[in-house]
Amino acid sequence: NAGVTQTPKFQVLKTGQSMTLQCAQDMNHNSMYWYRQDPGMGLRLIYYSASEGTTDKGEVPNGYNVSRLNKREFSLRLESAAPSQTSVYFCASRDRGLAEAFFGQGTRLTVV
Amino acid sequence: AQSVAQPEDQVNVAEGNPLTVKCTYSVSGNPYLFWYVQYPNRGLQFLLKYITGDNLVKGSYGFEAEFNKSQTSFHLKKPSALVSDSALYFCAVRDIAGSARQLTFGSGTQLTVLP
Repeated sequence: NAGVTQTPKFQVLKTGQSMTLQCAQDMNHNSMYWYRQDPGMGLRLIYYSASEGTTDKGEVPNGYNVSRLNKREFSLRLESAAPSQTSVYFCASRDRGLAEAFFGQGTRLTVV
Repeated sequence: AQSVAQPEDQVNVAEGNPLTVKCTYSVSGNPYLFWYVQYPNRGLQFLLKYITGDNLVKGSYGFEAEFNKSQTSFHLKKPSALVSDSALYFCAVRDIAGSARQLTFGSGTQLTVLP
């Protein structure tokens, strides 16, 4: 049982480049989330999807877009990367009937 | 708005001694409370949660946490620390009546257990 799988694990982008972070979960969870983790700031919610077909903004959505492709997959896109988006990105999923979220291993993104 | 405070960025404890990692929260309604642990270059792993019922919650790896409604606290504890407990610990809160997105994390506490 793989849980939540994120790809890639590491990425270096130049300012202005675009990329998509992929996330897939095999637990049949309804809700999926994208967080960014920065030193001293904990995890901040970028976007979430409460169920297949719906997405909504979190605390720090600017510069990002998301797609809930199906129940399993939730991707995060940076259209024009900026150095301020250098961070570690985590995808998470949660079942409607369970309170805790399950996290992927993270994507370490550096924008130069 | 809901919030979580972890007042200590760093906690050091000797192996074999008890450890406490502090967390206080603020929500408008009744809270769901969580502790997660993060080892270097890894994702967050769920440790334990408080939903309702007994104020003392037991979780993975010998950790426990005590919910104190009057002090709005949910401190993480372990009777005897191990060097392998060294990691970054996050407290999180969700309002029971809140929407799917309302899970708020604290800034994290780095626990170092000294041999």
